[in-house]
Amino acid sequence: GQQVMQIPQYQHVQEGEDFTTYCNSSTTLSNIQWYKQRPGGHPVFLIQLVKSGEVKKQKRLTFQFGEAKKNSSLHITATQTTDVGTYFCAGLNNDMRFGAGTRLTVKP
Amino acid sequence: KAGVTQTPRYLIKTRGQQVTLSCSPISGHRSVSWYQQTPGQGLQFLFEYFSETQRNKGNFPGRFSGRQFSNSRSEMNVSTLELGDSALYLCASSLGQGAPYEQYFGPGTRLTVT
Repeated sequence: GQQVMQIPQYQHVQEGEDFTTYCNSSTTLSNIQWYKQRPGGHPVFLIQLVKSGEVKKQKRLTFQFGEAKKNSSLHITATQTTDVGTYFCAGLNNDMRFGAGTRLTVKP
Repeated sequence: KAGVTQTPRYLIKTRGQQVTLSCSPISGHRSVSWYQQTPGQGLQFLFEYFSETQRNKGNFPGRFSGRQFSNSRSEMNVSTLELGDSALYLCASSLGQGAPYEQYFGPGTRLTVT
């Protein structure tokens, strides 16, 4: 069945450093969505990528969808303490499959 | 517009019992999906309902079931509870089924099985 792998599992950075999380699917995806879950909270939708090779930006966040639509990445430039949380990718094929998430901690 | 609501927020049950969780989607949303979140397994897809019909189902045993009502509200039921069912159960609603609709998550129901 469809598997979505996400790495790294944890990432601890100094405030101001960059951060990247990667998602890989065993099958071609229709689209991929990214969510952020703050500690004690619930996942909140960030963005959706649909097209092969698509790149979208939200302020310091850059999202990419691979050419083969099997991988994706989220890059945060100059992290801030407000970026703390777990970032999930979710790939859609027949159903929505979430990656295990990358927990980001930021040291001020 | 009110967000997704889930009741109850916390629940403690003993092994062998059954439980019913409720989810009210955002007004106008017709799709409701359920997820189980545990520290070890992350977010696991349980099932998706759209227009009162189950459209997709994840890899969970038959003890996990659900339904959706005509007003799009959804319930999920877990019978014969096991210790391993302890988790945060999240429901998410969206305007339609699948792509390109984003999902809006509720706060979850924290289930503890003792």
